[in-house]
Amino acid sequence: SQQGEEDPQALSIQEGENATMNCSYKTSINNLQWYRQNSGRGLVHLILIRSNEREKHSGRLRVTLDTSKKSSSLLITASRAADTASYFCVIPSGGSYIPTFGRGTSLIVHP
Amino acid sequence: EAQVTQNPRYLITVTGKKLTVTCSQNMNHEYMSWYRQDPGLGLRQIYYSMNVEVTDKGDVPEGYKVSRKEKRNFPLILESPSPNQTSLYFCASSFRDGNQPQHFGDGTRLSIL
Repeated sequence: SQQGEEDPQALSIQEGENATMNCSYKTSINNLQWYRQNSGRGLVHLILIRSNEREKHSGRLRVTLDTSKKSSSLLITASRAADTASYFCVIPSGGSYIPTFGRGTSLIVHP
Repeated sequence: EAQVTQNPRYLITVTGKKLTVTCSQNMNHEYMSWYRQDPGLGLRQIYYSMNVEVTDKGDVPEGYKVSRKEKRNFPLILESPSPNQTSLYFCASSFRDGNQPQHFGDGTRLSIL
């Protein structure tokens, strides 16, 4: 199964700044998901964007999807220390039911 | 409150001693799954279940067993644990399948000596 590749692997910013992380993939998809994981805890679902959507918002989160470039981005605006976490993109597996998680972007927001 | 509950949260045990990690969800979800998370490798799926009595292998099923006798429960069984199964394990569930939003448990940190 294909895997999304997040970029950058690590990101360190100050509180109040915006954080952008990207995900690239190889084959066609019908949706893409982003999850957050606080250190050592379970993952929390953030957003699902479908292949016919270009942009989606949820609070301070903005996700874009460019199917022609096979890439997605997650933007967190006005970041807070509580946003410190790892962020994963998840690619569906087509015919099987095994969603594939990328290795994640580790975000640190300094107060 | 919608929850996926795993037990135990932490376990240190020895090679070869059978163990079971329980997982229960209260959302009436059809789909449940188990993942392991290892540094540098991300989350990898071990087994999944589309419904009661229906289970299938994920990417890394070797050394594990599961069962789905009731909709809410999906235990992970290590019949003869080995040190390479030391990992952080997560149970998750979703309404329909793994390509829909999943709810995750808080994880079980397993150490096999």
